[in-house]
Amino acid sequence: DAKTTQPPSMDCAEGRAANLPCNHSTISGNEYVYWYRQIHSQGPQYIIHGLKNNETNEMASLIITEDRKSSTLILPHATLRDTAVYYCIVRPPGGGADGLTFGKGTHLIIQP
Amino acid sequence: ETGVTQTPRHLVMGMTNKKSLKCEQHLGHNAMYWYKQSAKKPLELMFVYNFKEQTENNSVPSRFSPECPNSSHLFLHLHTLQPEDSALYLCASSQVWAGRTEAFFGQGTRLTVV
Repeated sequence: DAKTTQPPSMDCAEGRAANLPCNHSTISGNEYVYWYRQIHSQGPQYIIHGLKNNETNEMASLIITEDRKSSTLILPHATLRDTAVYYCIVRPPGGGADGLTFGKGTHLIIQP
Repeated sequence: ETGVTQTPRHLVMGMTNKKSLKCEQHLGHNAMYWYKQSAKKPLELMFVYNFKEQTENNSVPSRFSPECPNSSHLFLHLHTLQPEDSALYLCASSQVWAGRTEAFFGQGTRLTVV
């Protein structure tokens, strides 16, 4: 899997948009960008994924740059419950057979 | 509720004990996984099962023994563990096909070896 780089921690005020960056400069043309989060002492939770186009679901938006070397996860109106470690993972299609490789992620702290 | 259930949620065992962790998924997925998360470390993939066949074993010591009797159930048998094996053990499942690889995780078993 392509390597990703994320800041170790970020703060965001409650109610504001949280923008979490991820660099994946060695991404291959057919690799997807996935985001997961892990709330303290719970199992990771899938958030969103994308290939080239920007994606949005009920949880978040994913913005992928045109050269695909970086992406940003956006939580539009952060709440205290969004405090978690967020993981950016790059995967080939059908790569689920190999399991996920997690890095250290970004610890997002939502401040009241 | 993710559709992946792990039991027990907490387990304390001595180094000479034998215990098993259980994972059950109700999602109809064809792949299941065991991960280990030690304090202050990233999640580590331990074992992968595709269609009940073990396809990956990431150099895990033999004191950890997985079993996948069918596509819905996964076990991790533990024996003669060490205190450094204390960790959060997470089970996950996914439907492996080209294009999508979302994994769904259970809540984990918090294991303490004394």
